[in-house]
Amino acid sequence: GQNIDQPTEMTATEGAIVQINCTYQTSGFNGLFWYQQHAGEAPTFLSYNVLDGLEEKGRFSSFLSRSKGYSYLLLKELQMKDSASYLCAVRDGTGGYNKLIFGAGTRLAVHP
Amino acid sequence: DAGITQSPRYKITETGRQVTLMCHQTWSHSYMFWYRQDLGHGLRLIYYSAAADITDKGEVPDGYVVSRSKTENFPLTLESATRSQTSVYFCASSETRVYGYTFGSGTRLTVV
Repeated sequence: GQNIDQPTEMTATEGAIVQINCTYQTSGFNGLFWYQQHAGEAPTFLSYNVLDGLEEKGRFSSFLSRSKGYSYLLLKELQMKDSASYLCAVRDGTGGYNKLIFGAGTRLAVHP
Repeated sequence: DAGITQSPRYKITETGRQVTLMCHQTWSHSYMFWYRQDLGHGLRLIYYSAAADITDKGEVPDGYVVSRSKTENFPLTLESATRSQTSVYFCASSETRVYGYTFGSGTRLTVV
């Protein structure tokens, strides 16, 4: 089966750095995604890791350790608009089909 | 309009009624998915499809039916709606097995 854990809520200050952790257990791991979701909107793609290491994309970076079943999303120079939910999702290739299994999401509140 | 569209945006229905949620994508993506999103559970996979006429169950398929007669459409039907099916429903598509998903704007369904 699959299990994906991430903190429910986090708060941070504008301009600061925040790290959102995600641990997972899955039988058919085939990549890890991070999505951002503002309240009342659809999730939007942020980052993708399939190999161990750090992927950097502007203010956002994502790290993966497959041996530890662990990923984090790092947000730098936080802005008020970064207040959103951040969803960790593992791609499960079991059965030959590409399926994303999502964690419950981390709600991040950025305050002045 | 190019992209992935869901209709209706909001729907209120009565217990026991049949209701169909529509999803249409213009990219000819092979893979399409239906998720429901509830507080505390995150996004849970209901059904997915790898191509026209190929569908399979996800994590929470009970009470739902899907079809995919054309690549661009993937309707989700609640055969006899129950209050527990009150949720936000997201449709998503993916070009291949190696890419992430693009989500529609969602349908907020309330069953009374």
